[in-house]
Amino acid sequence: GQQVMQIPQYQHVQEGEDFTTYCNSSTTLSNIQWYKQRPGGHPVFLIQLVKSGEVKKQKRLTFQFGEAKKNSSLHITATQTTDVGTYFCAGPKDSNYQLIWGAGTKLIIKP
Amino acid sequence: NAGVTQTPKFQVLKTGQSMTLQCAQDMNHEYMSWYRQDPGMGLRLIHYSVGAGITDQGEVPNGYNVSRSTTEDFPLRLLSAAPSQTSVYFCASSNRAGGINEQFFGPGTRLTVL
Repeated sequence: GQQVMQIPQYQHVQEGEDFTTYCNSSTTLSNIQWYKQRPGGHPVFLIQLVKSGEVKKQKRLTFQFGEAKKNSSLHITATQTTDVGTYFCAGPKDSNYQLIWGAGTKLIIKP
Repeated sequence: NAGVTQTPKFQVLKTGQSMTLQCAQDMNHEYMSWYRQDPGMGLRLIHYSVGAGITDQGEVPNGYNVSRSTTEDFPLRLLSAAPSQTSVYFCASSNRAGGINEQFFGPGTRLTVL
C-alpha cells in the first residue's frame, strides 16, 4: 500500500548546527504537510506544499517539495533549543480524505 | 475558541473494559479524525468523518467504533480494551475544502490497558 518514509529517525546536533529531515512517498502526492510535535505535546501544523518544485521559508526553516511530488525535505538553519521535538511529514492517500504519516525525525540538541 | 478538546487526558483500563474517548471542536470543521500514536511510529488513522452522519475507516479501525451525530463531536469508543490498544490517542479536525488541509489536534488521551 501507499507509504511515506521519513529519515533519519533521530538527529543529534549541537546548538547552532543545521538539521535536515527527508520524506519519500511511494506514490505521487497532491500535497505534503509538515508538523512539529514537542515532547509530551500534540502535532502542530507548520506548512503545506502543493506545487512541484515548491520551496517555502519560515524564518530559519526551509521546506521543499520535489519536482516529481514524491519527496520533500525540511531544513533548519542554526538550530536553537526551541527547535527540539519531532518533525513529521504527511501526505494524502489516494482517496484524499486520509493522511499517511511518516514516522518522524526527532531533533535532539546535544548539551 | 477552545479549538479541539479531548477528555480524559489519562485513562487506565483493564483488559475487556469498554470506554469512550471524547472529542469536540468549536471551529465548525467538517472533517474530524482519530489517530493513535505509538513510540517510534507516526500517527495512524483509526477512523475519520467528512461531516455529520458520515464516518469511514482508516488504517487501523479494528476494535474501535465512532459516530458523528453533530458537527462538533466525534467520540471514539473502545469496545473491549486490549493491551495492544495502549497508546496515545489524538483527535484532529480541519476544513475539507479541496481535500485534507491543516489539521488541528487536540491535546491527546494517554491510554494504558492492563
